[in-house]
Amino acid sequence: ETGVTQSPTHLIKTRGQQVTLRCSSQSGHNTVSWYQQALGQGPQFIFQYYREEENGRGNFPPRFSGLQFPNYSSELNVNALELDDSALYLCASSLARVRGGTDTQYFGPGTRLTVL
Amino acid sequence: SQKIEQNSEALNIQEGKTATLTCNYTNYSPAYLQWYRQDPGRGPVFLLLIRENEKEKRKERLKVTFDTTLKQSLFHITASQPADSATYLCALEPGFQKLVFGTGTRLLVSP
Repeated sequence: ETGVTQSPTHLIKTRGQQVTLRCSSQSGHNTVSWYQQALGQGPQFIFQYYREEENGRGNFPPRFSGLQFPNYSSELNVNALELDDSALYLCASSLARVRGGTDTQYFGPGTRLTVL
Repeated sequence: SQKIEQNSEALNIQEGKTATLTCNYTNYSPAYLQWYRQDPGRGPVFLLLIRENEKEKRKERLKVTFDTTLKQSLFHITASQPADSATYLCALEPGFQKLVFGTGTRLLVSP
């Protein structure tokens, strides 16, 4: 177990709705990254938060937004859900000693989102 | 365009044999490469990281090689066991801890 938790584990929404997914990072970690994993694909980077600030974003539209709290937990919000948003959403926490620094990422179990 | 390619077909091997998985990449110059294991419905689990100046890295039954000239990494599991059955992902880090993953290769080890 990595110590990274995510909630909820499963979620079903309808097209056009909004969703919030949550991630608690491993104790002592200051960086959270979010990934989307479609069935049969590798995870795709959505964005990253370092000490409460966005620190890089992948090729995702603005309706994907996030937040990191002072305790380094994080939320991923998706507005105006589309069918293609159905996927496993993963968060990964790590300890970066400087912004953009390198360290092992520890993944949570993911949230399975289904959009009908 | 930038690509990370792993064999999308499942690799079936017998228990006790060595499994070899391939990761090829184009238009990247990674400082290092990582391998992860993912079980169905679970998040990826970090296995090994190899840097560009390292040719080979070992951890127990696992061995990774990294050839920056061929732009290829090989991942070996020796004396494979049914419990090694999973999907194995390779990942590059182009910057700021963003990981770019391949599609993964499913390994099936039969008794």
